[in-house]
Amino acid sequence: QKEVEQNSGPLSVPEGAIASLNCTYSDRVSQSFFWYRQYSGKSPELIMSIYSNGDKEDGRFTAQLNKASQYVSLLIRDSQPSDSATYLCAVSPGGFKTIFGAGTRLFVKA
Amino acid sequence: NAGVTQTPKFRILKIGQSMTLQCAQDMNHNYMYWYRQDPGMGLKLIYYSVGAGITDKGEVPNGYNVSRSTTEDFPLRLELAAPSQTSVYFCASSKGTDTYGYTFGSGTRLTVV
Repeated sequence: QKEVEQNSGPLSVPEGAIASLNCTYSDRVSQSFFWYRQYSGKSPELIMSIYSNGDKEDGRFTAQLNKASQYVSLLIRDSQPSDSATYLCAVSPGGFKTIFGAGTRLFVKA
Repeated sequence: NAGVTQTPKFRILKIGQSMTLQCAQDMNHNYMYWYRQDPGMGLKLIYYSVGAGITDKGEVPNGYNVSRSTTEDFPLRLELAAPSQTSVYFCASSKGTDTYGYTFGSGTRLTVV
């Protein structure tokens, strides 16, 4: 079992719709969770972090965490073509270790 | 504010050659990391450093070496390049440990032929 699992996609949504990206992790002691956006040929960019169960909103982005189910998700409201990218889920069990998922490719159709 | 600067952006090496990937950050971050990213795979940690003079291995350190003589610089050395080292390499820095996200450099695309 991979430590951090994401559906590779591509996930295709029409412009203006809600994009829902999901991630599961295997280490129950994980404390910190991150979402990075990576445009093709570019480096990852941190867009959200979440540490407690529940929702965290930042603009059009909402991160959701359920530690009991070992599940973290990212919702993108009013999706724009500029949101088309690969979204990396990252999980930290503590210390210096952060484990990255392979990413979900999102395509927003104009 | 430059953030994390990596050089070179692209490089082609022949099998057996060596090279150093440069990484510098100007954010006064103590924590620095080297990752490699292969198609369809997550980022894999090669080496990390928690401060000047302190480095440690990540999950894929074989064939690489690092040093950290200053807070700002964290070069990655490839000795005796092999085709398996063909990858995109990212340097990253962080303000702290697990509660802080990373700032990534722009990456180095390395091909070993």
